[in-house]
Amino acid sequence: DGGITQSPKYLFRKEGQNVTLSCEQNLNHDAMYWYRQDPGQGLRLIYYSQIVNDFQKGDIAEGYSVSREKKESFPLTVTSAQKNPTAFYLCASSISQQETQYFGPGTRLLVL
Amino acid sequence: DQQVKQNSPSLSVQEGRISILNCDYTNSMFDYFLWYKKYPAEGPTFLISISSIKDKNEDGRFTVFLNKSAKHLSLHIVPSQPGDSAVYFCAARSNDMRFGAGTRLTVKP
Repeated sequence: DGGITQSPKYLFRKEGQNVTLSCEQNLNHDAMYWYRQDPGQGLRLIYYSQIVNDFQKGDIAEGYSVSREKKESFPLTVTSAQKNPTAFYLCASSISQQETQYFGPGTRLLVL
Repeated sequence: DQQVKQNSPSLSVQEGRISILNCDYTNSMFDYFLWYKKYPAEGPTFLISISSIKDKNEDGRFTVFLNKSAKHLSLHIVPSQPGDSAVYFCAARSNDMRFGAGTRLTVKP
């Protein structure tokens, strides 16, 4: 069955370490997104990609990087430059940028 | 810059009664509005949407109302059920999607 998967469910990062969050979709969607959720706040857009080999910065891209080498995959790297990485990270996809977004189950990142 | 606001962080209603969740927006360029439901430690799931050319959309127990002149959106759930207890996010789209901070709905048996 089709859907969006994110792994791992929980991820621990040490100070100064880069970590990569996985997002895979088999919905044949062109557009993919990464959001961050903090307590009491809405979802804030980190990066999005409308098509393979193309991606754009969202509102809070600093300290993050992405790649879109395959249509199905949109991994997010949280770099050591991100000073406050503890949050719940959500990946989403949509048929195109103007269509309804569907979300994965999320990854909670914690800093040790 | 919060273009989409959900001013009530929480709402508690009795089972069987109506739940009304509210959302206000500031950007008149938004042309499509959505509601998502989120359980703890899960991703949001799409619930219902409405285009800016309509003022009401209904799907079973869920109805979304749009008042463009007031830049106000609401979600009505009737009758409310304990399984509806979750965080509800409203979202609005122009060139990209903007989300509110969410309202936690608790439906008491």
